[in-house]
Amino acid sequence: NAGVTQTPKFRVLKTGQSMTLLCAQDMNHEYMYWYRQDPGMGLRLIHYSVGEGTTAKGEVPDGYNVSRLKKQNFLLGLESAAPSQTSVYFCASSYPEQGIYEQYFGPGTRLTVT
Amino acid sequence: KNEVEQSPQNLTAQEGEFITINCSYSVGISALHWLQQHPGGGIVSLFMLSSGKKKHGRLIATINIQEKHSSLHITASHPRDSAVYICAVRSWSGGSNYKLTFGKGTLLTVNP
Repeated sequence: NAGVTQTPKFRVLKTGQSMTLLCAQDMNHEYMYWYRQDPGMGLRLIHYSVGEGTTAKGEVPDGYNVSRLKKQNFLLGLESAAPSQTSVYFCASSYPEQGIYEQYFGPGTRLTVT
Repeated sequence: KNEVEQSPQNLTAQEGEFITINCSYSVGISALHWLQQHPGGGIVSLFMLSSGKKKHGRLIATINIQEKHSSLHITASHPRDSAVYICAVRSWSGGSNYKLTFGKGTLLTVNP
């Protein structure tokens, strides 16, 4: 199993450009998450999904959109990138095990917006 | 005040030393996670605790629910243990308990 994969690994955008980050998991997990990680701050939840066709806002959703058309994929879109969105983005997936949801993380995408 | 506080923020040790990283939280939780992130690397789950103590190799994690505190211990530390260790808690919020709140992490450097 590949686990959780993210595409691309690195990207540089100019302000105002758009892009989509792809997260894929082959573990048949129901739950998927997008986080951002910034220096001096803990991981923060952007959006999450509890199943195919469902999405919900997390702690810092502004400027991002997501879609979960297939159970194995969770896409994060930036419609008009801003320098404040320079960050490392992590995708994760999880499954319920006795009510405790262990999360499996992807390798991260380093995004720079100039 | 952050819901999850870790201490210390940075820790430097000599190979072989016993390491302790602490995590305090302010909310009722259903589980606590310890994660490891190597420089430039991904994030790996080390432990998931709801009570007591767990051990995996040289790593030990404990939790005291009454005191809202957890510790991660590393025995006989090695340079390959150098990483950021992140504490995260799962608590009931909005009718769900599958979202995590993360601490800022503890950067551990183990020198040979």
